[in-house]
Amino acid sequence: QSVLTQPPSVSGAPGQRVTISCTGTRSNLGEGYDVHWYRKFPGTAPKVLIFGNNNRHSGVPDRFSGSRSGSSASLAITGLQAEDEGEYYCQSYDSSLNAHYVFGTGTKVIV
Amino acid sequence: EVQLVQSGGGLVRPGGSLTLSCAASGISVSDDGFVWVRQAPGKGLEWVAAITSSGRYTYYAISIKGRSTVSRDIAKNSLSLRLSSLRAEDTAVYFCARDVGNYFDFWGQGTLLTVSS
Repeated sequence: QSVLTQPPSVSGAPGQRVTISCTGTRSNLGEGYDVHWYRKFPGTAPKVLIFGNNNRHSGVPDRFSGSRSGSSASLAITGLQAEDEGEYYCQSYDSSLNAHYVFGTGTKVIV
Repeated sequence: EVQLVQSGGGLVRPGGSLTLSCAASGISVSDDGFVWVRQAPGKGLEWVAAITSSGRYTYYAISIKGRSTVSRDIAKNSLSLRLSSLRAEDTAVYFCARDVGNYFDFWGQGTLLTVSS
C-alpha cells in the first residue's frame, strides 16, 4: 500500500522549534493532492491540526504551521511544550488503484 | 455537539466475522462521507475504508478488500464496517471519522478488535 514517509522521531527542548517532514509519491502529493496533519496521543483518537497543506483547524494554536512543496510537506512546531509530545501523522488522498487515502508512517515528537 | 460513538469490538477467532458500529449525533451521516481508520498495536494509522456522502460509492484498502463492507443506516444515523475472514493482522483499534474534503475532522473514540484463537 502506498504510504507517505516520515522520520520515526524528532526531538527538541522546551521552547525550541521542530519540523516533521512528509514525503509522498506521484500518486498522492506528487499529483498535487493536499496534505493534512494529525496528532495522536496513546489511547485517544487522532485530532486534525492542519488541513489543506497550511490551514490550522479550529482551536489549534499558531505554534503549529504547515507547508508543502511538490511531493513533500512539513509540519513545524515552534515554542515546543511538554504537552506536544505525541505521535504526528500526515495524510493525503491517493489516486492509485489500491488506495484512496494514505497516512504517513508517523513521527514521535519527544520533548 | 458532534459525537461519533463506536461499539462492536471484541475478541474473534481467526476466520470469523464482526461488525463495528459508529453512531453519529450532531451531524447526519447522509450529509458527509465517512472513513474507517485502524491502528494495529505498535503500528501507525492505516486508512481501511470509505463511504461517500451519497452512499453510492465505497472504497477499501487492499488489506481488507473483498472481505469487508462499509455501509450506513440513515434512519439510525449510523455507520458500520463488517469484517469477515478475520486474520491476526486485523487486530487493531478501529476508528470511524467524518470526511470533510479528503481529511477527517471528527473521530469516534475507537474500538478494539482482537483476532486470536
